[in-house]
Amino acid sequence: GESVGLHLPTLSVQEGDNSIINCAYSNSASDYFIWYKQESGKGPQFIIDIRSNMDKRQGQRVTVLLNKTVKHLSLQIAATQPGDSAVYFCAERAGNNRKLIWGLGTSLAVNP
Amino acid sequence: DVKVTQSSRYLVKRTGEKVFLECVQDMDHENMFWYRQDPGLGLRLIYFSYDVKMKEKGDIPEGYSVSREKKERFSLILESASTNQTSMYLCASRGTSGGAYAYEQYFGPGTRLTVT
Repeated sequence: GESVGLHLPTLSVQEGDNSIINCAYSNSASDYFIWYKQESGKGPQFIIDIRSNMDKRQGQRVTVLLNKTVKHLSLQIAATQPGDSAVYFCAERAGNNRKLIWGLGTSLAVNP
Repeated sequence: DVKVTQSSRYLVKRTGEKVFLECVQDMDHENMFWYRQDPGLGLRLIYFSYDVKMKEKGDIPEGYSVSREKKERFSLILESASTNQTSMYLCASRGTSGGAYAYEQYFGPGTRLTVT
């Protein structure tokens, strides 16, 4: 399944399928991007990050893709599991800024 | 493991009360942050601190103040609570040992504040 972020849409996938969560960013000066997962009742938790000099980075079952031409970031989750059900946030940092700019989040629901 | 703790999970206060939200981290992190989280609005930065006694306004500082007297503790203060400050408040911390690209923030579990 695939979705576009920014307005907290819900992406619903079957267990075992791959999930793609998308994020559009607006600041062409952003040089670092990060994905967080927030489960119900908990604070956000780091998943994976990527610098702007890369276009792909892989972790365990997750891959982040960065397309600077169209200012688009995606998080791919392989073999989605019920424990992946959460809200996913992308965040960006522009230059030397100490702050992160957060997306609005995408809710992922995994159906058993 | 980094641990960020917040003083309360749930808090109910009356309009006009002074409210203190406390956050403590155990990893000697220089940077600490306070966010509020509202449905459909994501995380919005209220204040952050990059060192003891140092603070910087975030995107929505109005109605809030902060205090950082010790490195491990960052307090958020609502001087006179109002109903529009009902929200989930999240504290986070971040170290600098990884250099400019070590931007992973560690979050506490949040405090759900209701102002009646």
